[in-house]
Amino acid sequence: EAAVTQSPRSKVAVTGGKVTLSCHQTNNHDYMYWYRQDTGHGLRLIHYSYVADSTEKGDIPDGYKASRPSQENFSLILELASLSQTAVYFCASRGQNYAEQFFGPGTRLTVL
Amino acid sequence: DAKTTQPDSMESTEGETVHLPCSHATISGNEYIYWYRQVPLQGPEYVTHGLQQNTTNSMAFLAIASDRKSSTLILTHVSLRDAAVYHCILPGGADRLTFGKGTQLIIQP
Repeated sequence: EAAVTQSPRSKVAVTGGKVTLSCHQTNNHDYMYWYRQDTGHGLRLIHYSYVADSTEKGDIPDGYKASRPSQENFSLILELASLSQTAVYFCASRGQNYAEQFFGPGTRLTVL
Repeated sequence: DAKTTQPDSMESTEGETVHLPCSHATISGNEYIYWYRQVPLQGPEYVTHGLQQNTTNSMAFLAIASDRKSSTLILTHVSLRDAAVYHCILPGGADRLTFGKGTQLIIQP
């Protein structure tokens, strides 16, 4: 069974603080993705990576950095958290020759 | 601009067959059609995908129009567990997914 885990599952952060969201996959997948979902809306792509030590900008990268230190791990970094970054963040992975993306359970981030 | 158009909501009863429509009039020749579903407090779940031929798996049957400008996800013998928001998506580069509002499927007992 493919597995994507995220930590923490929820977090409260202060405006201007640094936040790191972590994602770990045991699928041996090359592609990993970070999405955000705002209440009542669909997911939007922030950053993605297709190989370790390389990341690419998605559709809404401003205010976010990403890090892929290994094939299994993909982090999303908010250097200066803002109120507008309150959302649920989902990580996903995909094999190079497969269509299906496997999603993690999500991290609920609240910035106060 | 939205690449797909879906009804906001549909309702059915347990045991029935549901047809979820999706319009994608501007689809290009090599674009795949993907379907995902999402229940509250969980990440999206892959349902199926197709290019030109109809496809079937354990979750659903995907019917694709001959001109590829529309598709229909068909769920048979639905149960309460099938209640979710269903998203019809045409992925961008690197198979990036952009989720719209999708169709809220309501299942009555």
